[in-house]
This record gives sequence, structure tokens and C-alpha cells, in this order.
Amino acid sequence: DAGVTQSPTHLIKTRGQQVTLRCSPKSGHDTVSWYQQALGQGPQFIFQYYEEEERQRGNFPDRFSGHQFPNYSSELNVNALLLGDSALYLCASRPDRGPGWNTEAFFGQGTRLTVV
Amino acid sequence: AQSVTQLGSHVSVSEGALVLLRCNYSSSVPPYLFWYVQYPNQGLQLLLKYTTGATLVKGINGFEAEFKKSETSFHLTKPSAHMSDAAEYFCAVTRSGSARQLTFGSGTQLTVLP
Repeated sequence: DAGVTQSPTHLIKTRGQQVTLRCSPKSGHDTVSWYQQALGQGPQFIFQYYEEEERQRGNFPDRFSGHQFPNYSSELNVNALLLGDSALYLCASRPDRGPGWNTEAFFGQGTRLTVV
Repeated sequence: AQSVTQLGSHVSVSEGALVLLRCNYSSSVPPYLFWYVQYPNQGLQLLLKYTTGATLVKGINGFEAEFKKSETSFHLTKPSAHMSDAAEYFCAVTRSGSARQLTFGSGTQLTVLP
């Protein structure tokens, strides 16, 4: 089992550009969440996807959007990039029911986004 | 709403000494509590979790934590620090029965001195 995989690992973008980050959940997991971790801070919840729909959203602007595919993989899109969007973006997956549904979230290695 | 406060952004201990990382939470409903560890340039790994039942929970790598409702605390301890424990540690909380959004503390960087 490869666990949660994210791509790319590193990315450099220019202010105003758009970026897409990708996440493949752990086998058997159908729920995917995205977190932003700025340097020196804890992760902050962006949103969660289940059954290809956004189920819950944190306090992030509409520039942050997402998508979930039928195979449960997910994308995070950020438009009109700002310098402040520079961060480590983490994807987490868990099953929506069954063992571990309400407790354990497995995290990927993250994508380090730098906006210049 | 839930929140987490981690006291001490940096903690240094000598190898073999007790590790104590502090976490206090705020929650209007019974919480689920977690400790995660993050090594440089890596994602988060779950150390241990409290959901219901026994208030003293044991995790991986010799870590344990005790849920104290009266003190709204969930401090992480390890009797004897190893060099390999050097990392950043995050406490997190979510609502019991509906663990969707994790709310994290700001983290504690643990340094282990030889």
C-alpha cells in the first residue's frame, strides 16, 4: 500500500498564476481533506471532499477550489496566487465508514508551493 | 468550535531525559484528541489518539498522553528521549463522532541534546 501520495513535491509559481496540486488517497479511503501549513505554523483545514462533492470548508477564499474524481483522487486548485499562499499543502485521507472512519487521518508528504 | 494551544514552541531535552510537550484544548462538545509528529520535509504521522474510554493512551515510539477533562489538557510524554525523537509535534482536536475537520495547534519543535 503506497499510502497517501501527492504530486508534485515542490513547485515554484509567480504571483497571479494558477496552480493545481494532486492527491491519491490511501487504498480503501474515500474521503480526502486538504490542509495548508505555512512556515512555522500548524496545518489549517481548507476543505474536505466526499462522493465528489465538497462536504466541509474552512476559512479560505474562493480562490481555493477542489475536485474529487470517481477513483477518490483529488485536486486542489489555487487561482490568482499571492505571496502568502506559499506553504506546504497536505492531503489527508480516511474512510467515510468502517474502522477508523471517525478517527485516523493519514497524511501525504505534502507539496511545497513557493510563490515568487 | 474547537481550538488547541501548545505551550512552548521550542523544547530542548537531553538524551535520556523526560519529554513533556503540553497541549490544552477548548471544545464545546466531547473532543477527540490527537498527537502527530512531523519530521523535516515530511508529512504528518499519527503518534496516538484519544477517543473514548481509557484516559491514558499509549502510542508509537514509546510516547503516551493522558486526557484530563478537568484540566482540558492532553500532554504528551516519553520517559527517555532519543536523538531520533527530534521533530515537530502537533496536537489536534476534532468533534467526537464526526471527525471531519482537524484543528491543529501551532506545534512544538523538540530538540534532543547529546
